[in-house]
Amino acid sequence: SQQGEEDPQALSIQEGENATMNCSYKTSINNLQWYRQNSGRGLVHLILIRSNEREKHSGRLRVTLDTSKKSSSLLITASRAADTASYFCATASNYQLIWGAGTKLIIKP
Amino acid sequence: NAGVTQTPKFQVLKTGQSMTLQCAQDMNHNSMYWYRQDPGMGLRLIYYSASEGTTDKGEVPNGYNVSRLNKREFSLRLESAAPSQTSVYFCASIEQGARGELFFGEGSRLTVL
Repeated sequence: SQQGEEDPQALSIQEGENATMNCSYKTSINNLQWYRQNSGRGLVHLILIRSNEREKHSGRLRVTLDTSKKSSSLLITASRAADTASYFCATASNYQLIWGAGTKLIIKP
Repeated sequence: NAGVTQTPKFQVLKTGQSMTLQCAQDMNHNSMYWYRQDPGMGLRLIYYSASEGTTDKGEVPNGYNVSRLNKREFSLRLESAAPSQTSVYFCASIEQGARGELFFGEGSRLTVL
């Protein structure tokens, strides 16, 4: 069963704007991870935030985690055409990662 | 480093045929996974291997078998392919459990006619 649910399902913005994607989950987690998938390719890890962390930064990425609301958000600042991809959140517990259906992000030049 | 290598990249099968998807990782990871990805559904876990010598069912194991041949290799077998198994299959590995970063192969696109 899907645990993570991303919102929105699709997002189209102008280059240079910020993009925000949200992820909600249902059970307790060890960590939450965000991945990017370019069309026709495998997934690439972007950032991991542990359950005892509230915010994490990596370059133009900012991730927040609210365990009381069981939700996370991924912010991509100053978007570029190369950011066009699908973004997935995955929640980790024990030996498994459970995946959401993804947000498709399109950056318009 | 090659990372995670999957073969074949593309395959077309007829209903009832069998085939094996191969996966190898060169990162000395303990845990390996097979996922399928269908449009609009994200990744669903088929089988995983927490460590060499162990395999466990995931969310959608029916119609599949796996073999953890050694620490490097984890294969997925379809004994009698069905059209419902048309999908993109991804192999992934992680150093241990789900506490770190998963590394993915490029995927194997399977069509069952």
